[in-house]
Amino acid sequence: QKEVEQDPGPLSVPEGAIVSLNCTYSNSAFQYFMWYRQYSRKGPELLMYTYSSGNKEDGRFTAQVDKSSKYISLFIRDSQPSDSATYLCAMSGKGSARQLTFGSGTQLTVLP
Amino acid sequence: SQTIHQWPATLVQPVGSPLSLECTVEGTSNPNLYWYRQAAGRGLQLLFYSVGIGQISSEVPQNLSASRPQDRQFILSSKKLLLSDSGFYLCAWSVTGQGTGANVLTFGAGSRLTVL
Repeated sequence: QKEVEQDPGPLSVPEGAIVSLNCTYSNSAFQYFMWYRQYSRKGPELLMYTYSSGNKEDGRFTAQVDKSSKYISLFIRDSQPSDSATYLCAMSGKGSARQLTFGSGTQLTVLP
Repeated sequence: SQTIHQWPATLVQPVGSPLSLECTVEGTSNPNLYWYRQAAGRGLQLLFYSVGIGQISSEVPQNLSASRPQDRQFILSSKKLLLSDSGFYLCAWSVTGQGTGANVLTFGAGSRLTVL
């Protein structure tokens, strides 16, 4: 079993839809949770990061962490064609366990 | 502001040939530096990371090597490429000395390597 599981998709939605992207994990030591967005043939860029459980909102994006279920989500409201990309979740522990473990990524296409 | 440069962007090499990918970071001192490989549908695999000049940690056994000759320069090399070395290689940096804080990575644009 992988430490981090992420549905690879592809996921295709119409413009304006609410998108839900999810990851599950098995390592209870993970404390930091991140979402990266990667456009085709580009490097990933950090979208959001959260510490421990709870929600964090940034514009149309909301990151949610449920440590009791070992489940994290990224919600995109009012999705736009420019949101079409691969979304990677990443997580790490503290101190010596700070190396990131990445999910395999979910490919999202928002249709105009 | 900090920037990260990675080159070449695209590379096509025959099996058995050498490889050199270079990465430099500007606008920061003593960064942590990383090399990742991304294969289709398989996420990011950490290959090497470095916390300082000449300090390299290898995460997976392979025919690749890394070097850090200067504070903000990280090089990925191979003496003889294999078909399985094809992939998208990403350099990244993070701020050192964050203690127990999040290890937020900033990635370069990537180098796409095709071994024929």
